[in-house]
Amino acid sequence: DQQVKQNSPSLSVQEGRISILNCDYTNSMFDYFLWYKKYPAEGPTFLISISSIKDKNEDGRFTVFLNKSAKHLSLHIVPSQPGDSAVYFCAASVGLTSGSRLTFGEGTQLTVNP
Amino acid sequence: SQTIHQWPATLVQPVGSPLSLECTVEGTSNPNLYWYRQAAGRGLQLLFYSVGIGQISSEVPQNLSASRPQDRQFILSSKKLLLSDSGFYLCAWSTGGGYTFGSGTRLTVV
Repeated sequence: DQQVKQNSPSLSVQEGRISILNCDYTNSMFDYFLWYKKYPAEGPTFLISISSIKDKNEDGRFTVFLNKSAKHLSLHIVPSQPGDSAVYFCAASVGLTSGSRLTFGEGTQLTVNP
Repeated sequence: SQTIHQWPATLVQPVGSPLSLECTVEGTSNPNLYWYRQAAGRGLQLLFYSVGIGQISSEVPQNLSASRPQDRQFILSSKKLLLSDSGFYLCAWSTGGGYTFGSGTRLTVV
């Protein structure tokens, strides 16, 4: 049972344009969502998160939107840069403690073309 | 500061050989620790997690095992590797605001 799904395995955009990565979840108990970025042969690194009490969180070029009724979140990158090319993982958890386990999506490979 | 170390970075092992991957964390005590695998073209699959010394939970049946002999040490092992064990293995610890991942081990079973 895949509780967090990223239906697009890959996305290609031009430098300077917007990248939109999507994520859907099925478990209504999830109340904390994160995005991780992963380069080849490296561990994922935390990018941005959002709590279910908010519908938007912004950090520089990165904005995460949460639509609780649709159980959908998205990551917007504006403007996209070639260095943003990586695999992006969406993750969700119930609560936010050291014991909270993350459930990951399958990842989306973003390629930003110069 | 809190850091996580994982080694080796790459490993090529023949089928049927044993495996031992080690992960240690610094700057924290009693962390929740995790082993993930990313197979080629796939997402992150949780293999094992541990909430304390000697406490291991397995998420999927497989050819691998995990142990936590010390509070900040987490080991992934196999007695006999299979070709299907090839992948990118990641150790992580829970920080209360998500996970911090190690740098990963690329395992190729030949």
